[in-house]
Amino acid sequence: DAKTTQPTSMDCAEGRAANLPCNHSTISGNEYVYWYRQIHSQGPQYIIHGLKNNETNEMASLIITEDRKSSTLILPHATLRDTAVYYCIVNRAGTALIFGKGTTLSVSS
Amino acid sequence: ETGVTQSPTHLIKTRGQQVTLRCSSQSGHNTVSWYQQALGQGPQFIFQYYREEENGRGNFPPRFSGLQFPNYSSELNVNALELDDSALYLCASRTGLAGTLNTGELFFGEGSRLTVL
Repeated sequence: DAKTTQPTSMDCAEGRAANLPCNHSTISGNEYVYWYRQIHSQGPQYIIHGLKNNETNEMASLIITEDRKSSTLILPHATLRDTAVYYCIVNRAGTALIFGKGTTLSVSS
Repeated sequence: ETGVTQSPTHLIKTRGQQVTLRCSSQSGHNTVSWYQQALGQGPQFIFQYYREEENGRGNFPPRFSGLQFPNYSSELNVNALELDDSALYLCASRTGLAGTLNTGELFFGEGSRLTVL
């Protein structure tokens, strides 16, 4: 079973920041937080991952709370092409990814 | 660099038949994983291969089997197809040793959509 809890769906206006929350209260010290997304009819796409520190790349930012029990994925300027299912996954390095149902993000103009 | 490619993209089989799905890993990747994604669900892990050996398996029966070849391409075989096997089958690859401190991202293909009638 997935070790994370995410809202089923969220809406965001185009151009605004999309903040996607994830709870992972049972995370272990050696487990990373990964985010993937899946646009309709495509394979999942890696977004970002982190262990303790906040991370940023060209796609998004990942904010992990100090106790590591929750995190937030931030898409700073959402576009229509960001409409997708977003998966938050807790995972030990090198082991299989266990996907939950994710959050369906709908970006509208 | 080339991405992960899967074939066929769509296929239809009848209950009881056998199917083989193929995957070409991204160049330089020696670890491949297969996932099953039913409609409306997240992908479920089937198994993983590293250097031609299976080194991880999810909760799938033995009629789901696989192979990884020296060139790191891979096959997923499903025998005695059941209606519930209808799904999108995803292949993913990455570099490095499975089970070690490799935190590298998984690169997914577009999937093979199997319909069992």
